[in-house]
Amino acid sequence: DTAVSQTPKYLVTQMGNDKSIKCEQNLGHDTMYWYKQDSKKFLKIMFSYNNKELIINETVPNRFSPKSPDKAHLNLHINSLELGDSAVYFCASSRGRQNTGELFFGEGSRLTVL
Amino acid sequence: AQSVTQLGSHVSVSEGALVLLRCNYSSSVPPYLFWYVQYPNQGLQLLLKYTTGATLVKGINGFEAEFKKSETSFHLTKPSAHMSDAAEYFCAVNTPQGGSEKLVFGKGTKLTVNP
Repeated sequence: DTAVSQTPKYLVTQMGNDKSIKCEQNLGHDTMYWYKQDSKKFLKIMFSYNNKELIINETVPNRFSPKSPDKAHLNLHINSLELGDSAVYFCASSRGRQNTGELFFGEGSRLTVL
Repeated sequence: AQSVTQLGSHVSVSEGALVLLRCNYSSSVPPYLFWYVQYPNQGLQLLLKYTTGATLVKGINGFEAEFKKSETSFHLTKPSAHMSDAAEYFCAVNTPQGGSEKLVFGKGTKLTVNP
C-alpha cells in the first residue's frame, strides 16, 4: 500500500496547455509539500500545506496553483505551461508540527513540455 | 538563510571501499541536518538525521554521519561500499516554519560503485 502516491507518473504536453498532478498520502500526516527537481537534480520546495492551510509559497509563478481539499490530498495545477516547467515534481508529506525533518516522498511525476 | 553545499557532484568508488560524501552547511541557528538517498526513478528516502545530542548518527544500510559544528560539516560515510549503494545522495538542512518542515537541499552527489 503506497504511502504517498502521485498521478500521473509521466506527463507529456504542449506549451500553453494546462495540466494537473494529483497527490494522496495515507500516513495520517498533517503537512504536504510539492518539490520541483530540475534536470540537474536540484530539488526546491514550491509549496507546503498544513491541514489544508497554505504555509510555504516559495516565489513560484502564479501559473502554479496548489489545492488541498483535505489533509490527505494536495494537487498541483499548472496553467499555460512553458518549456522551463519541464521537471520532475515530487509530492511529500510529514507529521508537521513535530519538526522531525523527515519527509516521505512520492515517486515523482515527470512533466515534459514540448 | 540556511544553505547546504555538497562537494563533488560525482563520486566513484570500488565495491568494498570507503564511501565519503561531503556536506557543509550554513545556518544562523542550530541546524537540523539530514541525508536523503534517491535511487533511479524513485522518490527520496531518509538515510539519517541529526537534531540534537550525539553528534555521530547512524542510519540505514550501514551509513553514518558526524555533525562537526566547528567545521560546519555533516559528512556521510560508509566503511564498505556495496553495489546497491549506487544512487544520488542529498544533504539537507531544515528550517521549521509554521508547522511545516522546510528542507533546503544541496545539489546532490551521484555515487557510482564499481565492481
